[in-house]
Amino acid sequence: EAGVTQSPTHLIKTRGQQVTLRCSPISGHTSVYWYQQALGLGLQFLLWYDEGEERNRGNFPPRFSGRQFPNYSSELNVNALELEDSALYLCASSLGFGELFFGSGTQLSVL
Amino acid sequence: GENVEQHPSTLSVQEGDSAVIKCTYSDSASNYFPWYKQELGKGPQLIIDIRSNVGEKKDQRIAVTLNKTAKHFSLHITETQPEDSAVYFCAASYTNAGGTSYGKLTFGQGTILTVHP
Repeated sequence: EAGVTQSPTHLIKTRGQQVTLRCSPISGHTSVYWYQQALGLGLQFLLWYDEGEERNRGNFPPRFSGRQFPNYSSELNVNALELEDSALYLCASSLGFGELFFGSGTQLSVL
Repeated sequence: GENVEQHPSTLSVQEGDSAVIKCTYSDSASNYFPWYKQELGKGPQLIIDIRSNVGEKKDQRIAVTLNKTAKHFSLHITETQPEDSAVYFCAASYTNAGGTSYGKLTFGQGTILTVHP
């Protein structure tokens, strides 16, 4: 069975641009989570979607947004990119409780 | 909000030795404490977790202990092997009676474990 898949694997953007990252959860999982992993830092919680609704949000500005589709896949959008947005963006899925299963992430570089 | 401190940031051991990583948390409401292993180029993978109604849990060479009073928990790896080399993260969150976490796992800063053959 396929795990959590994320696309693209790498992305290079310039300041001020917008980016969309995509995530497909494990089949049967209804919850999708987004985390930011900046270099040298731990994972910072961004967003949690369940059954198509945003359930919780971390301490990030509104230019970080996303959505979850009826097939439970998800997008993370980041507008007006800043240099400090350079990071590994990790998506995870779960059945809504217990273990989070992570994808391999999208490495975003902002120049 | 919750804050999780993790120590040490790097740990180097010889194959066969034990490794211990310690974490402290700030929110006494936290009741779920997972440990994740992240290998290069991969996402974190759960290796063991513990809930606040249990003081210790063991899975083969890996064990986790929890001290709710002191608000700290530790990962113990015995008989380390080179393939244990990775970054290890502790985390904490609150889950309700139904077991639903509110998505907000708070992670420690990570420990880079190197096991020398």
